[in-house]
Amino acid sequence: AQKITQTQPGMFVQEKEAVTLDCTYDTSDPSYGLFWYKQPSSGEMIFLIYQGSYDQQNATEGRYSLNFQKARKSANLVISASQLGDSAMYFCAMRESPLGYGNKLVFGAGTILRVKS
Amino acid sequence: DAGVTQSPTHLIKTRGQQVTLRCSPKSGHDTVSWYQQALGQGPQFIFQYYEEEERQRGNFPDRFSGHQFPNYSSELNVNALLLGDSALYLCASTSRGTGDEQYFGPGTRLTVT
Repeated sequence: AQKITQTQPGMFVQEKEAVTLDCTYDTSDPSYGLFWYKQPSSGEMIFLIYQGSYDQQNATEGRYSLNFQKARKSANLVISASQLGDSAMYFCAMRESPLGYGNKLVFGAGTILRVKS
Repeated sequence: DAGVTQSPTHLIKTRGQQVTLRCSPKSGHDTVSWYQQALGQGPQFIFQYYEEEERQRGNFPDRFSGHQFPNYSSELNVNALLLGDSALYLCASTSRGTGDEQYFGPGTRLTVT
């Protein structure tokens, strides 16, 4: 069964610095997708970035980038120039089924990020 | 462009009661999934609907059922509520033809007393 591991329960970062949130995954499917979501205290799950298993380049979306190392089965999220509004819970998730057969997501336990001023 | 919407925002029910939660997918999306998120945990997949049929199901009892309407909106029904059903219920929508868009609604926070 597919599995997502986030080993950092909590992280602190100074405002304007970069931070890396770790995510490792386990799957036997050759086709999969990896997602990162931000969940503020309000509860809404906000989509940040997506990486497909066949994508040649690492995904980037503004201040977010995904450090995808396929051989190591890791998909770390890098947030550059941290802002106070980045304080939230961050979840790594994997699309479990091959494309076209369903889009079930499997989530990690999450990492709480706190940005200090 | 409206995103995923859910109603109600909050709900308080008593053990043994039944509850219905509602979700409207993002414009252009035809697939709806439901997740349960207990406090301090990651979301757990309940089931997914496409073309008005349940396509995938997670490890949840039959007390959890759903429905999808022709306009792609969906309902989650939970019967015989237990205290352990207290959680944030999230709806996610995507398009069947792609797998790289999974947008969530704001959630419904259910409290069972």
